[in-house]
Amino acid sequence: ELKVEQNPLFLSMQEGKNYTIYCNYSTTSDRLYWYRQDPGKSLESLFVLLSNGAVKQEGRLMASLDTKARLSTLHITAAVHDLSATYFCAVDVAGYGGSQGNLIFGKGTKLSVKP
Amino acid sequence: ETGVTQTPRHLVMGMTNKKSLKCEQHLGHNAMYWYKQSAKKPLELMFVYSLEERVENNSVPSRFSPECPNSSHLFLHLHTLQPEDSALYLCASSHGTDYYEQYFGPGTRLTVT
Repeated sequence: ELKVEQNPLFLSMQEGKNYTIYCNYSTTSDRLYWYRQDPGKSLESLFVLLSNGAVKQEGRLMASLDTKARLSTLHITAAVHDLSATYFCAVDVAGYGGSQGNLIFGKGTKLSVKP
Repeated sequence: ETGVTQTPRHLVMGMTNKKSLKCEQHLGHNAMYWYKQSAKKPLELMFVYSLEERVENNSVPSRFSPECPNSSHLFLHLHTLQPEDSALYLCASSHGTDYYEQYFGPGTRLTVT
């Protein structure tokens, strides 16, 4: 069974602090996506990671992918309140036993940044 | 209009009703998707269309019937739904179905009474 596990599922942190969200997956894949969802809103694409060792940064967020360990991380640096949202990782299993366009999502990490 | 739009944004329907959800993408993409997001489960892929042809049906009950008349429009026809079908239904699109990030619409919040 294909599994994508995120941890933690809930994260409360203070502004200015650093933290990392982890995304582990159980199948072979070299493509992983990170999305952000604000309450009542849709999913916004944050990062597309397409190869082993890929690292991407945007503002206070940095994502990385280790396909050998089947692990992606989303690192938050000096958190601010505006980062409060739910973050999802999604593993693309197309070509690896999954069908085309088949993204398997994690349960999401609900991040709350407090002053 | 830009991006991916969905109508209606909210829908309440009885178990004997028939309704349809509509999705339109203005990005020139060739692939479109329906997802279900409920409180207790991760986001679940329901259907995938590529160049107006259905390429994936993830064991979805027949009370959900998709339709893709062209590459810009996607519908989800609903009939005799159950209360457990209440969820947020998200539409997405991408350039293709391989190696392309998906862009999501705002979703339709469906409540089945």
